[in-house]
Amino acid sequence: GAVVSQHPSRVICKSGTSVKIECRSLDFQATTMFWYRQFPKQSLMLMATSNEGSKATYEQGVEKDKFLINHASLTLSTLTVTSAHPEDSSFYICSAGLRASYNEQFFGPGTRLTVL
Amino acid sequence: AQSVTQPDIHITVSEGASLELRCNYSYGATPYLFWYVQSPGQGLQLLLKYFSGDTLVQGIKGFEAEFKRSQSSFNLRKPSVHWSDAAEYFCAVVKETSGSRLTFGEGTQLTVNP
Repeated sequence: GAVVSQHPSRVICKSGTSVKIECRSLDFQATTMFWYRQFPKQSLMLMATSNEGSKATYEQGVEKDKFLINHASLTLSTLTVTSAHPEDSSFYICSAGLRASYNEQFFGPGTRLTVL
Repeated sequence: AQSVTQPDIHITVSEGASLELRCNYSYGATPYLFWYVQSPGQGLQLLLKYFSGDTLVQGIKGFEAEFKRSQSSFNLRKPSVHWSDAAEYFCAVVKETSGSRLTFGEGTQLTVNP
C-alpha cells in the first residue's frame, strides 16, 4: 500500500514551453501533497505544499507563477512548469501525506526535466 | 530555525563491514525523525522512523537507528553492509506543528567496495 506514481518519468522540452507533471496516490487518499526539487548531488528542497481543494503554499523563493500547482482531488496533484528555461532542469519529486498518518510522507519515483 | 546536519558527505565501506551514518538535528523539542534511501534517478524509500517510545528503531533492509536526545542525534546503523546498499541516504525531520513539512539533511553518499 501507500504507492505514489509520477508521470512522466522523464521529459525533454524546448525553452519557453510549459511542462505538466502528475503525481498520483494510487491506493490511498492524500490530504496533502508536497513538491520537491533536487539538483544533482544535492538534497531535496521543498517547493510547495498543496492541500486538496485549496491553493498551494509555496516556500520562500519559489515563484508561484512559474510553478503552478493544482490539487484537484485527493489522489492527484499536478505541477506545471511554465515557460521553462534551462535553469529549471532538475529532478522533481512529489510526495503524499496519508490521511490517517499526518506526519509521514510517501514519495513518488521522480520526474527528470531537461530544458534545452 | 530547525536544521538537520549529516556531517559525512561520502562514506566508503567494504561489503560485510558495519556502517554508521550520522545525523544531528537542532530543534528545541523532539521532532519526528526519518531516514530515507535514494537510489540513482529514483524517488525516496523510507527506511525507518521515530516518533516516540523506544529510542532504538528497527527498519527495513536490516537497518536500525538510535535516537539520543542528549546528543540531538539519530544515527543510522547496519551491522553488515551489502553491495546493494550503495545509495544516497537522507535524514529528515518533521516538526510536530509544521504540518508534515520535511526538512532534509544534505545526504550521505554510500559506496560499498567488494
